[in-house]
Amino acid sequence: EDQVTQSPEALRLQEGESSSLNCSYTVSGLRGLFWYRQDPGKGPEFLFTLYSAGEEKEKERLKATLTKKESFLHITAPKPEDSATYLCAVQGDKIIFGKGTRLHILP
Amino acid sequence: GAVVSQHPSRVICKSGTSVKIECRSLDFQATTMFWYRQFPKKSLMLMATSNEGSKATYEQGVEKDKFLINHASLTLSTLTVTSAHPEDSSFYICSARVGQAYEQYFGPGTRLTVT
Repeated sequence: EDQVTQSPEALRLQEGESSSLNCSYTVSGLRGLFWYRQDPGKGPEFLFTLYSAGEEKEKERLKATLTKKESFLHITAPKPEDSATYLCAVQGDKIIFGKGTRLHILP
Repeated sequence: GAVVSQHPSRVICKSGTSVKIECRSLDFQATTMFWYRQFPKKSLMLMATSNEGSKATYEQGVEKDKFLINHASLTLSTLTVTSAHPEDSSFYICSARVGQAYEQYFGPGTRLTVT
């Protein structure tokens, strides 16, 4: 059965304190792994697509990496405006979303 | 690019009435759109896949007669919640794909409250 597990559920960091969010997955026939950012009361905002192990993508303070079993979203020197829920999703025959990591950056 | 809009953003309706939510792709054509439901602190739950010009494909456990989906054009899909009940109160979000790419672009969501 295809599955996506994100950890931690919640993370509080001081401004400037770098960290990583984890997305572990099992899927038969990975067609893509996606990261989204979701602010409260809004729809998810697309960040990255990763297709194969070893691939990396960057956008501002965010970098996403992919292995055969998991993906990491690294956040470098975060700012309070990076506070949000970060969702991971995998596309096999269907798309499956994780429950997200609620990230809170303290000023 | 890849902007998806939803209307309304919030709606309150009385139990037993129906409510329609619109999802539009603003700067691209979407042959496939998706409808999700999200509960607080829970994952997105795919309700159905909406295909332009054909019947929607519903996920297991989703009542197709209760959640009517119409995808009449390449830029518009609608979700109608019929005979709404308080347990239908939720955050409904649509999304769309651009061409053959797998990533989905989401609308801002619609908060439905049934009283």
